Amino acid sequence: KQEVTQIPAALSVPEGENLVLNCSFTDSAIYNLQWFRQDPGKGLTSLLLIQSSQREQTSGRLNASLDKSSGRSTLYIAASQPGDSATYLCAVKENTGFQKLVFGTGTRLLVSP
Amino acid sequence: DAMVIQNPRYQVTQFGKPVTLSCSQTLNHNVMYWYQQKSSQAPKLLFHYYDKDFNNEADTPDNFQSRRPNTSFCFLDIRSPGLGDAAMYLCATSRAFELYNEQFFGPGTRLTVL
Repeated sequence: KQEVTQIPAALSVPEGENLVLNCSFTDSAIYNLQWFRQDPGKGLTSLLLIQSSQREQTSGRLNASLDKSSGRSTLYIAASQPGDSATYLCAVKENTGFQKLVFGTGTRLLVSP
Repeated sequence: DAMVIQNPRYQVTQFGKPVTLSCSQTLNHNVMYWYQQKSSQAPKLLFHYYDKDFNNEADTPDNFQSRRPNTSFCFLDIRSPGLGDAAMYLCATSRAFELYNEQFFGPGTRLTVL
């Protein structure tokens, strides 16, 4: 059974710092991996999607990498801003059956001014 | 803008009183999903529709049902809500088997059970 773990569970940094969020998964048979942002009490906003054949994706100050063989992904946020404060969730789409998304429990990020 | 819409955003119901949550989409996606997310937990898939085909997760309680009358709309019915059903309910859509197959989420409905 696929399990997704995110470390750390919470992170607090000063504005301007570069930071890395980690995601690990137990079964490397994935179709893709998606990073989401969730603001308190809100839905999920998709940030980046990496196909299983890709190594990284970039969007603005965000860069996500994928090492499928080791079951790891990282989300790098450059020059963090207070507006980046949110919970970041990673989810893998399984490569079996209906390819459902399996989520981690997220990293709660606080960027202080 | 194409999007996923959920109504209501906040729903309060009484213990045991049936409640229906609504999701609509303008993306014309053939797959619609319902997730349950309890506080500080990962979203958990309850079921999904692939066109009109309903697919229930093995551990989804019988108390939860769903209807999809057409491509655009999908409903989540909770027949007899218990206190443990208080959660955020997220609707999502995707195009099945497309290369990028990204899931797009609505803003969620927060359900409170009194």
